[in-house]
Amino acid sequence: EPEVTQTPSHQVTQMGQEVILRCVPISNHLYFYWYRQILGQKVEFLVSFYNNEISEKSEIFDDQFSVERPDGSNFTLKIRSTKLEDSAMYFCASSQQFGSGNTIYFGEGSWLTVV
Amino acid sequence: AQSVTQLDSQVPVFEEAPVELRCNYSSSVSVYLFWYVQYPNQGLQLLLKYLSGSTLVKGINGFEAEFNKSQTSFHLRKPSVHISDTAEYFCAVRRGNKLVFGAGTILRVKS
Repeated sequence: EPEVTQTPSHQVTQMGQEVILRCVPISNHLYFYWYRQILGQKVEFLVSFYNNEISEKSEIFDDQFSVERPDGSNFTLKIRSTKLEDSAMYFCASSQQFGSGNTIYFGEGSWLTVV
Repeated sequence: AQSVTQLDSQVPVFEEAPVELRCNYSSSVSVYLFWYVQYPNQGLQLLLKYLSGSTLVKGINGFEAEFNKSQTSFHLRKPSVHISDTAEYFCAVRRGNKLVFGAGTILRVKS
């Protein structure tokens, strides 16, 4: 079964450093997402992306964050200057279409630790 | 605004016993509800979803959930659990093109 893949699975970075988390969505999917889960908290929506632009973002997704689809297969999340509170599991997800009945498929997550 | 409440943070249960994981939602419009499971060190996997039609929804691994509009609930059930069902279970409601998750319920199956 096709799946969303993410790299790295775990990254430790120093506060203030830039981090790029990478994702390969399912190949025929058109909508891409990033969610995050801070340890012990809910899974939270960060951003959705369609047709090479952000379609929706949450209040968490401030100027420190950016997303990009640099080529036909990858979808990246960049955190420009990491803070301690950015430590979390980051999930990439994709869906084939827009709409309520459309299943969103998640990757296995990238665990980011900021020290 | 749509939101989801999972009433139990942890549910311990013995192997082969039945289990129910509770989920309540708040919404003033039509709802689309999902249960995802996260096994240790893995991502989120879709268990089942309710979009419309029959209120009893069957999913993978023997799980099922019942949509109850009057009680605004979407509880997840399994008649007989296995050790391998130990995981964290998330209820979610679709809001536009994104999911709003509950806080999760950790199911611990003991032998």
